[in-house]
Amino acid sequence: EVQLVESGGGLVQPGGSLRLSCADSGFSFRSYWMSWVRQFPGKGLQWVANINQDASEINYVDSVKGRFTISRDNAKNSLYLQMHGLTAEDTAVYYCARVVLGGWFDPWGQGTLVTVSS
Amino acid sequence: EIVLTQSPATLSLSPGERATLSCRASQSLSRYLAWYQQKPGQPPRLLIYDASNRATGIPARFSGSGSGTDFTLTISNLEPEDVAVYYCQHRSTGFTFGPGTKVDIK
Repeated sequence: EVQLVESGGGLVQPGGSLRLSCADSGFSFRSYWMSWVRQFPGKGLQWVANINQDASEINYVDSVKGRFTISRDNAKNSLYLQMHGLTAEDTAVYYCARVVLGGWFDPWGQGTLVTVSS
Repeated sequence: EIVLTQSPATLSLSPGERATLSCRASQSLSRYLAWYQQKPGQPPRLLIYDASNRATGIPARFSGSGSGTDFTLTISNLEPEDVAVYYCQHRSTGFTFGPGTKVDIK
C-alpha cells in the first residue's frame, strides 16, 4: 500500500519561508506526476502545483507563482515544496498526492499544517 | 476559470436512505469530474473518477453519473461510516474543487 508522509510544516512569520517534504513509501514514485493540494481553515481545497515524472513539466496555481517551487528527487522517492513570501492567506494544511488517470489525486498524505502569523 | 457549485450544503438522512449530491460546473467538463470523501481528521479519498468510475476499493453503494455541466453522486443505503464531506473536482482546465456537501446521519 502506497503511503505518502508530509513534513516540514509549522508556524512562520509573514514574509517567511518554509520547505515541505513528502516521502513516498511505494516503489513507483518515479512513474507518477505528483501534486501539492492545500486545504484552508474554512475547509476549501485548492490545487497548488504539480510536477511530471522527470520534472520537465511544472504547473502552479496563479496565487503562488513566483513564490512557491515544486521539485522532486526520484532517487529519494521524495517531493518538495519550497515556499517564500508567505502570507496569512497561505495558512492551510498542505497535502501531497499522486496524480493518476490523467488528473485525479490518489492517494493523499495525511497533510502538514502551515500557519503564517506574527 | 471553471467554477464548481455543490448542493445541498448539508444533507441529513437516516441510515439506509439514499443520498443524492449534486455538482454543477460553469462550463462543460465532458466527463472529467471526480468525487472525493473526507471524513473528520482524514485526508480526502478518491471515490469516483471520470464521472462514473469507482476507484479501487470503493463500495458499490457509491455511484456517479452525469456529463457536461451536471453531475450526481449517489450513496444508496447510507451507513453511519459515510458521515463525511464530499467534494467534486474537475481536471478540464487546471484543477478546481467544489465547496463540498456535508453528509450527516440523523
